[in-house]
Amino acid sequence: GNSVTQMEGPVTLSEEAFLTINCTYTATGYPSLFWYVQYPGEGLQLLLKATKADDKGSNKGFEATYRKETTSFHLEKGSVQVSDSAVYFCALSRRANNLFFGTGTRLTVIP
Amino acid sequence: EAGVTQFPSHSVIEKGQTVTLRCDPISGHDNLYWYRRVMGKEIKFLLHFVKESKQDESGMPNNRFLAERTGGTYSTLKVQPAELEDSGVYFCASSQPTGKLETQYFGPGTRLLVL
Repeated sequence: GNSVTQMEGPVTLSEEAFLTINCTYTATGYPSLFWYVQYPGEGLQLLLKATKADDKGSNKGFEATYRKETTSFHLEKGSVQVSDSAVYFCALSRRANNLFFGTGTRLTVIP
Repeated sequence: EAGVTQFPSHSVIEKGQTVTLRCDPISGHDNLYWYRRVMGKEIKFLLHFVKESKQDESGMPNNRFLAERTGGTYSTLKVQPAELEDSGVYFCASSQPTGKLETQYFGPGTRLLVL
């Protein structure tokens, strides 16, 4: 079946620290991969996506590379800001477009 | 352009009662999805409408859940009778068919607590 496993939080970092949130997936065929972010009081927003192996999605300083050999899509940012505090969800999609999500990782960035 | 809206933002009900959640998708979006996040767990797909038709309802947990989208605009999700395990955050998302990978736009969710 289809599933996503992401590192459990919460994660607390100081401003300007390096961020990695691990995500691995199980899927048949070749899924598309996503990172969604939920800021406090808001809905989920698409942060970045990748549709095939070796693609790199990037947005707002965040990056993730679709690694088929390790079935991973780890999220990274070189220097986090307080405004990046949010819950981050890794997700995959197959042909039907229904999204399969991980459990979410809460990130808190302190000044 | 208005985003996806959901009502109510919070609902607290007692076991056995009925609750109806509403989702207004982005205007013109034919696809509408319902998802649910139970406390501490992953967000799970419930069902997918294309216009007023149910395209996929494989994620609906049981027959206490009824989703409708009359007229292909807004959608309602009714839980009757509610059970304790129905507590969680219910998200709605919409997208416009493009023939390829679509971006789903999510609402802020409805937080349901069943006591």
